[in-house]
This record gives sequence, C-alpha cells and structure tokens, in this order.
Amino acid sequence: QVQLVESGGGVVQPGRSLRLSCATSGFTFSSYGIHWVRQAPGKGLEWVAVIWYDGSNINYADSVKGRFTISRDNSRNTLFLQMNSMRAEDTAVYYCARLAHSYHMDFWGQGTTVTVSS
Amino acid sequence: QSALTQPRSVSGSPGQSVTISCTGTSSDVGGYKYVSWYQQHPGKAPRLLIYDVTKWPSGVPDRFSGSKSGNTASLTISGLQAEDEADYFCCSYSGSYTWIFGGGTKLTVL
Repeated sequence: QVQLVESGGGVVQPGRSLRLSCATSGFTFSSYGIHWVRQAPGKGLEWVAVIWYDGSNINYADSVKGRFTISRDNSRNTLFLQMNSMRAEDTAVYYCARLAHSYHMDFWGQGTTVTVSS
Repeated sequence: QSALTQPRSVSGSPGQSVTISCTGTSSDVGGYKYVSWYQQHPGKAPRLLIYDVTKWPSGVPDRFSGSKSGNTASLTISGLQAEDEADYFCCSYSGSYTWIFGGGTKLTVL
C-alpha cells in the first residue's frame, strides 16, 4: 500500500537549519509529484512547497520562499525539505503528501513535528 | 495570499445533513476545477474526501458530496454519524503551481 513516512523533525533555535525527509513506498515514486504541507499548533493546513515527479517544476509558498528548498532523490524514493533561517512561525507539524494526477493530495504521511524555539 | 474562507464551526445531529462552504476568488476556487476536501481527526493526518470538486476517491462513502458555484465550493455530509466529528479543510489549486487551503471547519455531531 502507499506509504509516506516523514522524519527529521525536532527542536531548533531561530536562525538555524533543519532537514526533513519523506520516505515513500508502495507506488512508483518517480511518477508522482510530492507536496510539503504544514500545520501550526491549533491552526489550519498551510501549503508549503511542491516538486514535480522529475523535479522540473518546483514552487513555494511566499512564507518560505528563499529559506526552504524542496528536493527529491528518485533512486531512494525519498523527498527532502531543507529549512534554513528558521523562525518561530515555522513551528508546525510537517506533512508530505502525494500529488495526484488531478492536482489534489491523495495520500499523506503521519507528519513530523518541528519546533523553533530558543 | 489569504486562506480560503470556511465557517469556524458547524454542527448537526446524527442522521441530519450539514454543508460546509469554502469561499475563494476567481484566481483559485472560481478559476479551476481542482477543489478538494480533507477530513482530519485530532492528532491524525488529513484524509482525502473529495477531489475535482465532486469526485470520490475509493473508500469514501457517498454520504460526502461536493459542489461548486462561482467562487464558493461546498461539502455536504448527509446521514451524519458520530465518527464524522472532525475538522474539514478545503483546498484549491491557485495557478502557477501553488495551492491554497481553507482555514478549516470543526464539525460537531450533537
């Protein structure tokens, strides 16, 4: 079955960096785009970034543009999110979600928690 | 870009129907057929309920239905059940490989 498993979350100081991973299985990873979506404590979902199946298209929410970098390794069926210059407002549960062929998110991971605090 | 507008909360009794609205603009909800809805129980990951405004993924009961008129999409849940109590989020493609979510609606089953 389709599985996405996030890892790499933790507590980080403001201004520092963190790298999240999303390991996938149960589908042909190289045929699908993948999103990162986050949810601050007690808040709604916020789209963060997307990368196309072959990396040809990448885009970011304005709130993370210039600080976060999404990438993928199709040989390892894994997605990454490099987060630099982190801020308190980046504190959230970060989910990876598969981009279905009709622009929705059909399978989600269980999330990894990131806390930015001094 | 601001989130799509959803009511903060709705409620209904078992067996009743409720509708959750999701209002955007012509640049997102009104401009594309790519509106989707997600259900999220506390502490859990979101689950896809509806995509392309009206379509069901496999495994989702047809008690959940979607529609759209202009810049407003709607999710209707009929025959409310206790397990439907959850948060519901709409999401729309908004062009140039960007997506936008609604603020979320808490459904209470009375």
